Amino acid sequence: AQKVTQAQTEISVVEKEDVTLDCVYETRDTTYYLFWYKQPPSGELVFLIRRNSFDEQNEISGRYSWNFQKSTSSFNFTITASQVVDSAVYFCALRDGGGSNYKLTFGKGTLLTVNP
Amino acid sequence: DAGVTQSPTHLIKTRGQHVTLRCSPISGHKSVSWYQQVLGQGPQFIFQYYEKEERGRGNFPDRFSARQFPNYSSELNVNALLLGDSALYLCASSLGVGNQPQHFGDGTRLSIL
Repeated sequence: AQKVTQAQTEISVVEKEDVTLDCVYETRDTTYYLFWYKQPPSGELVFLIRRNSFDEQNEISGRYSWNFQKSTSSFNFTITASQVVDSAVYFCALRDGGGSNYKLTFGKGTLLTVNP
Repeated sequence: DAGVTQSPTHLIKTRGQHVTLRCSPISGHKSVSWYQQVLGQGPQFIFQYYEKEERGRGNFPDRFSARQFPNYSSELNVNALLLGDSALYLCASSLGVGNQPQHFGDGTRLSIL
């Protein structure tokens, strides 16, 4: 069965600090996809990144970076020089690679608060 | 281009009633999925439709049903509402089969009294 664990329920930082959000996943599939979504107070889930299981290259996009390690089944997300606008709930999600099933399994989310 | 649009934004119902939620996908997207997000939790998968056919169903009772129309819009129906059905219902669309990410709407916040 698929499972995504985000152990950090809430994180509070001061602006300009770096912060890392942890994500650990479980799946029996050898092909799978990992995602991060941001949910601001408005409620809409905003897609941030997708990662394939066969591509362990880390990725950087501006202040965002992602560290994918299959050996530890982790897909961590780091925000560098955090800003108040980064305050939101962040979800890690997993999708198995088989067939046309688009089911995403989400973690419980991490509430990030960036204080000025 | 418009994103995923959902209606209504908010809805208040009483126990035992039924409700219909609507979703219009991004233009060109043929797959629509529905998720339920209870306060403080991550979204839970309810249904996925592609080309008007159900392609996936989550662990929800038969009171939940959905359909997809020829224009790829979708409806989620919930009968015999329970207090526990109070949640944010999210619709997501994607191009189709493959590995494209799902893009979510703002959701419908359903409150059951």
